[in-house]
Amino acid sequence: GAVVSQHPSRVICKSGTSVKIECRSLDFQATTMFWYRQFPKQSLMLMATSNEGSKATYEQGVEKDKFLINHASLTLSTLTVTSAHPEDSSFYICSAKKAGSWNTEAFFGQGTRLTVV
Amino acid sequence: GESVGLHLPTLSVQEGDNSIINCAYSNSASDYFIWYKQESGKGPQFIIDIRSNMDKRQGQRVTVLLNKTVKHLSLQIAATQPGDSAVYFCAEKGDAGKSTFGDGTTLTVKP
Repeated sequence: GAVVSQHPSRVICKSGTSVKIECRSLDFQATTMFWYRQFPKQSLMLMATSNEGSKATYEQGVEKDKFLINHASLTLSTLTVTSAHPEDSSFYICSAKKAGSWNTEAFFGQGTRLTVV
Repeated sequence: GESVGLHLPTLSVQEGDNSIINCAYSNSASDYFIWYKQESGKGPQFIIDIRSNMDKRQGQRVTVLLNKTVKHLSLQIAATQPGDSAVYFCAEKGDAGKSTFGDGTTLTVKP
């Protein structure tokens, strides 16, 4: 099966600092990765689509300058939450699509629990 | 706009019973759907998928039914086990592979 790994799984940071979350496809190449945010007892909300070698596409209402996405290789995408505030505390989840596939499932990472204090 | 929603937020069943989780979608052009299971503190786990040219698809202990006429799909879990307790999401696969998730149904299996 296809494995997607996120790091870290949990992070606590102080308000005003930046946090980087990594999403790696371990056994396949992913031209496209997706970043979701999930608040407690709510569904997953897509934040942005990350394409290898190009700028990310952000969903409406998501600040691109606050949530910086870099997809520098076919196996790694990073999400940096800049100047984090307590309201950014959430569960961040990435998913990755295999290169060459179109309308098939994407594989999800295990998520990163961000707590901003 | 496009949306995917679930009928009920919670479902409680007895161990060994069958579970049925429902989902409605609004985009009649949707052609690919996936059911995910999410355990507490973890990412979604793929369960089963179905394309719009199918009405039914079966997996191990799970069956997905798709009714395109009323834009409804369901997930049936046979002989529900305590390990099936989780939140279940239906998702519609759109352009470029991004998923639109429904609200989720919390399934609780009582021993």
